[in-house]
Amino acid sequence: AQSVAQPEDQVNVAEGNPLTVKCTYSVSGNPYLFWYVQYPNRGLQFLLKYITGDNLVKGSYGFEAEFNKSQTSFHLKKPSALVSDSALYFCAVRDPDRGSTLGRLYFGRGTQLTVWP
Amino acid sequence: NAGVTQTPKFRILKIGQSMTLQCTQDMNHNYMYWYRQDPGMGLKLIYYSVGAGITDKGEVPNGYNVSRSTTEDFPLRLELAAPSQTSVYFCASRPRAGEYEQYFGPGTRLTVT
Repeated sequence: AQSVAQPEDQVNVAEGNPLTVKCTYSVSGNPYLFWYVQYPNRGLQFLLKYITGDNLVKGSYGFEAEFNKSQTSFHLKKPSALVSDSALYFCAVRDPDRGSTLGRLYFGRGTQLTVWP
Repeated sequence: NAGVTQTPKFRILKIGQSMTLQCTQDMNHNYMYWYRQDPGMGLKLIYYSVGAGITDKGEVPNGYNVSRSTTEDFPLRLELAAPSQTSVYFCASRPRAGEYEQYFGPGTRLTVT
C-alpha cells in the first residue's frame, strides 16, 4: 500500500538559513510525489511535483525538492528561509501503477515549519 | 476565476443534526474530492467524483454522502452528525486525467457537540 511519512512534526530555522522538510514514501512502482503548503485558516496550495525526469524539482516561492529513489525520499528544500515561509507543509504521493485515472493522493501528517527572525 | 469555493466557513452542529457542506469550482474540472483534516493526521479522502453523475467512496466515507449533478458542484452531506465528525473539511478539484495537481478550497471548520 502507498504511504508517506514526514518524520518531523516541527522544523524550526532562523531566517536566512537553509531549510529542509523531510518526506519518505512507500509505493509499488514509480511514484508521483507532491508538496503542498497550508497557511493558517487556508486551504492547501500546490508547491511542486515530481513525475519523471530531473531529480531536482523547482517549485513556487523559491522551494525545490530532491527525489532520491534509492532512499525513497522527496525532501523539500529552500536555500534561504523567510519568516513568511512559516506554515504547515504536506508531502503527498499518488501511485501511478494502480491503473486508475482517479488521481487520488495520500498525504503525510504534515510538518509545521517555523522561521524565526 | 474564483477557483474552488466552500460554504460555510464555520459551523457548529448538535449531535444528530444534519447539514450539507457546499463546494463549487468554476474551472470546469472533471475530478472533485472531499477530504477531512484532523490535527496531526494529514488529510483523509472521504468521497470523490470523476465527473457529473459519478461518485465513489474514499478511505473514510461512513456518515457522509455526496452527489454530483453538475460539473461545478459537489456537495457533501452529513447525516446524524457525531462528535467524531468534528474536523476541517476541504474540497479539491483536478482538471483531467494526466494532470495531477489538485486545487483546494479554503475549508469548512465543523464542530459537533
